[in-house]
Amino acid sequence: GAVVSQHPSRVICKSGTSVKIECRSLDFQATTMFWYRQFPKKSLMLMATSNEGSKATYEQGVEKDKFLINHASLTLSTLTVTSAHPEDSSFYICSARDYGRGNTEAFFGQGTRLTVV
Amino acid sequence: GENVEQHPSTLSVQEGDSAVIKCTYSDSASNYFPWYKQELGKRPQLIIDIRSNVGEKKDQRIAVTLNKTAKHFSLHITETQPEDSAVYFCAASQGAQKLVFGQGTRLTINP
Repeated sequence: GAVVSQHPSRVICKSGTSVKIECRSLDFQATTMFWYRQFPKKSLMLMATSNEGSKATYEQGVEKDKFLINHASLTLSTLTVTSAHPEDSSFYICSARDYGRGNTEAFFGQGTRLTVV
Repeated sequence: GENVEQHPSTLSVQEGDSAVIKCTYSDSASNYFPWYKQELGKRPQLIIDIRSNVGEKKDQRIAVTLNKTAKHFSLHITETQPEDSAVYFCAASQGAQKLVFGQGTRLTINP
């Protein structure tokens, strides 16, 4: 199956700083990627849909100025958590689908465990 | 938008018995229904999926059934084994659009 790689897998940062998470499709082009957030023992909640070459589409209640998404190429989307606070601590995970092969299966990155101290 | 409800939130079965997890969805336009297994701190792993043009799909010990009229689908795991213990999520989407996940079921297989 297709491979989606997410980096870093784990990051600890201080309150007030920004953290960038990368999501790459390694063997296919992803015009659309999805960013999810998962709290402990909870489900995956969609934050935004990242569109290559255009603005991301954010879900209701997600602050676009806090969670900056850039999808500048067909294989890379980035999520930047700006001015992070302890409540932003969570598991962030991206996914992409290989539209080129008409594949509806979603492939997930490894996830990023963000801890804000 | 789509809303997916999943039950039960926890399920404990004896090894060798069957486990059933149920989901309902709200958007009749949804036509793709995957099931994921997630272990602690790991990415979700697709275990089976079904599209709306079929009512049932089976892969060894795992099966999924879909009732489009009632807008519900279920995961069936037979002959459960300890390694089946994990959190399972159902999801729904319209084609290759965004996936909406259920709340998850923590499945525990007791030896």
